[in-house]
Amino acid sequence: KQEVTQIPAALSVPEGENLVLNCSFTDSAIYNLQWFRQDPGKGLTSLLLIQSSQREQTSGRLNASLDKSSGRSTLYIAASQPGDSATYLCAVRLTGNQFYFGTGTSLTVIP
Amino acid sequence: DTAVSQTPKYLVTQMGNDKSIKCEQNLGHDTMYWYKQDSKKFLKIMFSYNNKELIINETVPNRFSPKSPDKAHLNLHINSLELGDSAVYFCASSQDRHRGPSGANVLTFGAGSRLTVL
Repeated sequence: KQEVTQIPAALSVPEGENLVLNCSFTDSAIYNLQWFRQDPGKGLTSLLLIQSSQREQTSGRLNASLDKSSGRSTLYIAASQPGDSATYLCAVRLTGNQFYFGTGTSLTVIP
Repeated sequence: DTAVSQTPKYLVTQMGNDKSIKCEQNLGHDTMYWYKQDSKKFLKIMFSYNNKELIINETVPNRFSPKSPDKAHLNLHINSLELGDSAVYFCASSQDRHRGPSGANVLTFGAGSRLTVL
């Protein structure tokens, strides 16, 4: 069974710093991997989706990488801002329509 | 707006009652899901429907019954509510991986329905 782990569980950084969030998964036979953001009391917003054939995706200050063979993905946030404070979740999609979620990283960017 | 919309957003009810949460998506996706997010923020799949057919049914009490009248709607009915059912329930949708362009594989979530059982 696929297990998805996110480290660290919580992260606090001063504004302006670059940071990396980690996601690891046990079964490398994934179809794609998706990073989400969840604000307190809100739903999940999709940030980036990486297909299994891709190595990375970029959107603005966000860059997500994927290394299927090692079962890892990273989400890089450049020049962090207080508005980036949220919980970040990764989800891997296997064959069919099965999605497995990590436990999330709670990010706080201090002004 | 193209979206996944679910109602109600908040639901407070007594133990033992029966309640329903409705979900609709206008994204043209053919797969819909119900997820439960507990107090520790862990997201757990409950059900998945593809073109009105149940394809995933995780270990969920049979007090929970999903219904999909068409591929744009997936409702969740809960009988005899218990305290432990208190959580946020999220509806989501995606395109079947075997159809459509790869860009349509994004899993899209509704805003959530916060259920509180007293």
